[in-house]
Amino acid sequence: GGIITQTPKFLIGQEGQKLTLKCQQNFNHDTMYWYRQDSGKGLRLIYYSITENDLQKGDLSEGYDASREKKSSFSLTVTSAQKNEMAVFLCASSLDRGGISGNTLYFGEGSRLIVV
Amino acid sequence: GEKVEQHESTLSVREGDSAVINCTYTDTASSYFPWYKQEAGKSLHFVIDIRSNVDRKQSQRLIVLLDKKAKRFSLHITATQPEDSAIYFCAASGNYAQGLTFGLGTRVSVFP
Repeated sequence: GGIITQTPKFLIGQEGQKLTLKCQQNFNHDTMYWYRQDSGKGLRLIYYSITENDLQKGDLSEGYDASREKKSSFSLTVTSAQKNEMAVFLCASSLDRGGISGNTLYFGEGSRLIVV
Repeated sequence: GEKVEQHESTLSVREGDSAVINCTYTDTASSYFPWYKQEAGKSLHFVIDIRSNVDRKQSQRLIVLLDKKAKRFSLHITATQPEDSAIYFCAASGNYAQGLTFGLGTRVSVFP
């Protein structure tokens, strides 16, 4: 089995601040994802990466940057935190493109962002 | 792009009864339809999926039905138990560029 570890679990920042969330997986999966989960809005894809150093924008990429430094890690940066950023950010990974190929997505426990 | 509508936002069922969650999708290119479960305070985990080459799949007490003509798929939780209480998300594969598109989730509560 494997695990996806997201850090930190809670991230408190000030409005306008640049904030970074990190994700590590030991499944040796090719593809990694960042989703944002808002109450009543489901999961929305921010960025995904199909291999090391690859980045693909999702529907919600504006206001975010991402970095896939190595196969096992994928980080997400909120470039200028806004009060409506308060949501849970979920990292996931899959063997390859989980959507089209039907490989299961494995999710981390989530990172809750609080902007004061 | 693909849009997935999850029709029930909440469901309350008596223990032992069945719960049914219905989803519809828009993109005829979608061929893979997984379901994920999120228990209170936890992250999502995969529970069952169906591909477009079949119209029914069962895994223990979970049944997924797919109606491609109507672009509709559903999750049936039979003989519900307290541990089935959670939020369930349906998803559709869309085309290659999009990846999975999720519904908004259905909160299922099983009461004694």
